[in-house]
Amino acid sequence: KNQVEQSPQSLIILEGKNCTLQCNYTVSPFSNLRWYKQDTGRGPVSLTIMTFSENTKSNGRYTATLDADTKQSSLHITASQLSDSASYICVVSASNNAGNMLTFGGGTRLMVKP
Amino acid sequence: GAVVSQHPSRVICKSGTSVKIECRSLDFQATTMFWYRQFPKKSLMLMATSNEGSKATYEQGVEKDKFLINHASLTLSTLTVTSAHPEDSSFYICSATEHTGTYSNQPQHFGDGTRLSIL
Repeated sequence: KNQVEQSPQSLIILEGKNCTLQCNYTVSPFSNLRWYKQDTGRGPVSLTIMTFSENTKSNGRYTATLDADTKQSSLHITASQLSDSASYICVVSASNNAGNMLTFGGGTRLMVKP
Repeated sequence: GAVVSQHPSRVICKSGTSVKIECRSLDFQATTMFWYRQFPKKSLMLMATSNEGSKATYEQGVEKDKFLINHASLTLSTLTVTSAHPEDSSFYICSATEHTGTYSNQPQHFGDGTRLSIL
């Protein structure tokens, strides 16, 4: 069964600090991995997308890494801002003859405090 | 960038009412649209996948007669919650992609969701 597990479930950090969110998956056959940011009461917004051959990808203060061998990904947030408070969702895509199938992680709820 | 508009953003209605939620792709043709349900502090749960002009594919456990999905055009899909009850109260989110099936690297563009509250 395809699964995506994220840790921690929730995190509180002070403004300006860095943090790293983790995502472990068992999805096959792997196609790509995406990190989304979801503000409360809003839809998810894509931060990064990585395919099998990509190890790291940055989007401003967000840097995602992917280790396809260990099936782990991380999202590193640098110099956090209050606006970074949100849920961060790891989504892994599997590809088969029927098309692509997304498996969602449970998300990490990040709160940045002043 | 691709924009998906979802309407209404918030609905409060009495038990037994049917509620229609619209999902529109504003600047691209969405051959595939997805409907999700999200409970508080939980991740998104896929309810159904719809391809333009064909019947929606529902996930296991989702009642197709309860949640009617219509994807009549390349820019519009609707989800109707029929005879809604308090247990149907939830956050419903749609997403859309520009291509069907095997183009798995195409991103899903999400709407901003609809908060449905049934009294």
